[in-house]
Amino acid sequence: EPEVTQTPSHQVTQMGQEVILRCVPISNHLYFYWYRQILGQKVEFLVSFYNNEISEKSEIFDDQFSVERPDGSNFTLKIRSTKLEDSAMYFCASSYTLSDTQYFGPGTRLTVL
Amino acid sequence: GENVEQHPSTLSVQEGDSAVIKCTYSDSASNYFPWYKQELGKRPQLIIDIRSNVGEKKDQRIAVTLNKTAKHFSLHITETQPEDSAVYFCAASITGGGKLIFGQGTELSVKP
Repeated sequence: EPEVTQTPSHQVTQMGQEVILRCVPISNHLYFYWYRQILGQKVEFLVSFYNNEISEKSEIFDDQFSVERPDGSNFTLKIRSTKLEDSAMYFCASSYTLSDTQYFGPGTRLTVL
Repeated sequence: GENVEQHPSTLSVQEGDSAVIKCTYSDSASNYFPWYKQELGKRPQLIIDIRSNVGEKKDQRIAVTLNKTAKHFSLHITETQPEDSAVYFCAASITGGGKLIFGQGTELSVKP
């Protein structure tokens, strides 16, 4: 069964550094999402992406964040200048249509020191 | 803004008992309600979902009920087994999919 994959599984970075989190959605899916989960808190929506553009974003997704689908398989989340409060588990998800099930990746744990 | 509240945060039951997890949502336009199960160190996986045009949906030992008037929905697991132990998340969406607003999660522990 196809799965969403994410790399790396754990990323440690210094405050102020740029990080890129990578995701490979399920191959025939058209909608892509990023969520994050700060330790002990609820999963929070960051952004949705369709047809090579952002379709919706949350208040969390400010100018420090960007997403890109650089090729036909990868979907990336970039944080330009990381802050301590960006430390969280970041989940990528994808779905075939807007109303279909969202399949989640295993997550990338980002630790900002 | 949109909000989903989930209770309880932890739930411990004996094997064979039933477990019920409840969620309430704030936006009456919400029309899609999935439930995800997350085992330790693994990805969240959809276990059941319900749309606003039905009041109940069942899949073997798992059922979900929706009360649109009260704006709450519940997950029911019958005949619980140790492998049901996990964190369960409810979520809601106003677009029939897309942006999901999650509850805080319930850590279910099923004791043999």
